[in-house]
Amino acid sequence: GQQVMQIPQYQHVQEGEDFTTYCNSSTTLSNIQWYKQRPGGHPVFLIQLVKSGEVKKQKRLTFQFGEAKKNSSLHITATQTTDVGTYFCAGISSGSARQLTFGSGTQLTVLP
Amino acid sequence: KAGVTQTPRYLIKTRGQQVTLSCSPISGHRSVSWYQQTPGQGLQFLFEYFSETQRNKGNFPGRFSGRQFSNSRSEMNVSTLELGDSALYLCASSPGQGHNSPLHFGNGTRLTVT
Repeated sequence: GQQVMQIPQYQHVQEGEDFTTYCNSSTTLSNIQWYKQRPGGHPVFLIQLVKSGEVKKQKRLTFQFGEAKKNSSLHITATQTTDVGTYFCAGISSGSARQLTFGSGTQLTVLP
Repeated sequence: KAGVTQTPRYLIKTRGQQVTLSCSPISGHRSVSWYQQTPGQGLQFLFEYFSETQRNKGNFPGRFSGRQFSNSRSEMNVSTLELGDSALYLCASSPGQGHNSPLHFGNGTRLTVT
């Protein structure tokens, strides 16, 4: 079945440093979504990427979808303590039953 | 607009018992999906309901079942509980069938099996 790998599993950064998490799928994806889950909270949708090579920005967050539509990344510039949480990518395989398969997540800690 | 509501927030059950979890989607959303979240396995897809029909199912045993009502509210049932069923169960709604649009998650039900 479809597998979505995410690295790193954990990341500690000093406030102001940059952060990147990477997502790789075993199959070609029709789209990829990113979610953020704060400690004790539930996943909250951040963005969806659909096109090959697509890049989208949300303030300090930059999302990329690979040319082959099998990988994606989330980059945060100049992290803040409010960025703390676990970031999940989730993808739907092309031609699949249209269910989202989530990556294992990257838990980000920002040290003040 | 009210968000996705899940009840109860916490449950403690004993092995062998059964449990029913409830989910009320965002008004107008007709798709309800259920996920199990554990530290070791992450977010695992259980099933999706749309228009009262199960449209998609993950790789969970038959002890896990669900249903959806005409008002789009959904329930999930787990029978013959096992210790490994301890997890956060998340419900998510979306406007249409499938997951091509964003999922809106509820706060979850934390199930502990002793």
